[in-house]
Order: sequence, then C-alpha cells, then structure tokens
Amino acid sequence: QQQVKQSPQSLIVQKGGISIINCAYENTAFDYFPWYQQFPGKGPALLIAIRPDVSEKKEGRFTISFNKSAKQFSLHIMDSQPGDSATYFCAALYQGGKLIFGQGTELSVKP
Amino acid sequence: NAGVMQNPRHLVRRRGQEARLRCSPMKGHSHVYWYRQLPEEGLKFMVYLQKENIIDESGMPKERFSAEFPKEGPSILRIQQVVRGDSAAYFCASSPLGQEVTEAFFGQGTRLTVV
Repeated sequence: QQQVKQSPQSLIVQKGGISIINCAYENTAFDYFPWYQQFPGKGPALLIAIRPDVSEKKEGRFTISFNKSAKQFSLHIMDSQPGDSATYFCAALYQGGKLIFGQGTELSVKP
Repeated sequence: NAGVMQNPRHLVRRRGQEARLRCSPMKGHSHVYWYRQLPEEGLKFMVYLQKENIIDESGMPKERFSAEFPKEGPSILRIQQVVRGDSAAYFCASSPLGQEVTEAFFGQGTRLTVV
C-alpha cells in the first residue's frame, strides 16, 4: 500500500501553542520520512526529516516523533507563531527516488 | 546560486492544445522529479529522470503525458491535447548525483489552467 494518511486536514492554534500533525503509513519499505512546509504560491520546502531507526528528532521548535511499530509519525511545532501558518505535508521515501505525500494540513496560527 | 527554476509560472491552455512545462535543476544536480498537485490535495509523483534517462515513470498517465531531460537544457514535461482535469500545479524537484531524494529542492511550480 503506497499511501500516507495525514490528519487533521486543517488546524487552528493560538500563538504560543503546540501544533500537532499526524501521519500513518502501511508500507514497511518506506525508509525516510520528511516533512515539507508550503506557503501559498510556493513550492514545498523541506522542514525536517527522520529515519525509521530513530524515535525522535528535534530541530529548533520542530520535533518529529516516530513510532515504527505503530507505523505512525507526527510533527510537533512548539511555541507556534503566525509565521508558521502554512500547509504542511508529511511524506515517505519509496524505492530510492519517489516521495509519497500525505494529503496536507493547513495550519493557521492566530495572534 | 539559483534554485530550481520552473517556467512559466502560470500557463493557460485551451482544451486540445499542448502544454510544455520547463524545469532547470539547481547547478550540479542531475536528478529531476516531477510532481502534480491538484487543488486541496497533496503532491503526486509523476516521473523521475536523470540526464537522457527515464528512471521511474510509474506515476505518469499512460496517454498524452511525456517527460524528458536532455543532455543539454532543461527538463520538459509535455502534456498533449490538454483536458480540464489536467489543471493543476506541477512541481519539479532536483537533487545532486548520488544523493537521496530527501536532498531534493523544489521549484515554485507551474500552475496550469485549462479553459
């Protein structure tokens, strides 16, 4: 199964709050899990990524938590800011060159 | 150090016309990937190319769509006899030789509108 399921579809968070976006997959052949941030009219930009042999990776306010047994991973944005308002996509790397994207989460951070 | 350059940024075509989308990878990058993003959806993989070689075209529709990455010049995604359902944003990404696609950088996309 080459799907990555992402939730929620949209998310509203107050400034300073924690934004949490979840993804789940079925295919154990996926071997790399990046998150992308996309602003309107722009291309996706790599935010942070993790390998399945690591349970957590943190870069600044962004943290990926990875649960290999449950085939789930999530993005946590701490101290969310209005500038974080964007669409976020989780993805999984397949067969060395193909990214399978989730459906996206539209995040809105209210001041 | 320019990023991935896609042109045109916006393209309007009438049904039945041909659309040509261009992608110039970052300097030193020899791997190119094309993705399509329909409104309110995530990106869908279309094709993976190296110079003069199609590596994986499993996401390409069987008809009307073709892609190339010649030895010289940009990568071209061609859509013949466009239909309304082809309206989407088309993104190109490039990565250096030998690197995983997670090192890929995306262009700003070409937004195709079929009228």
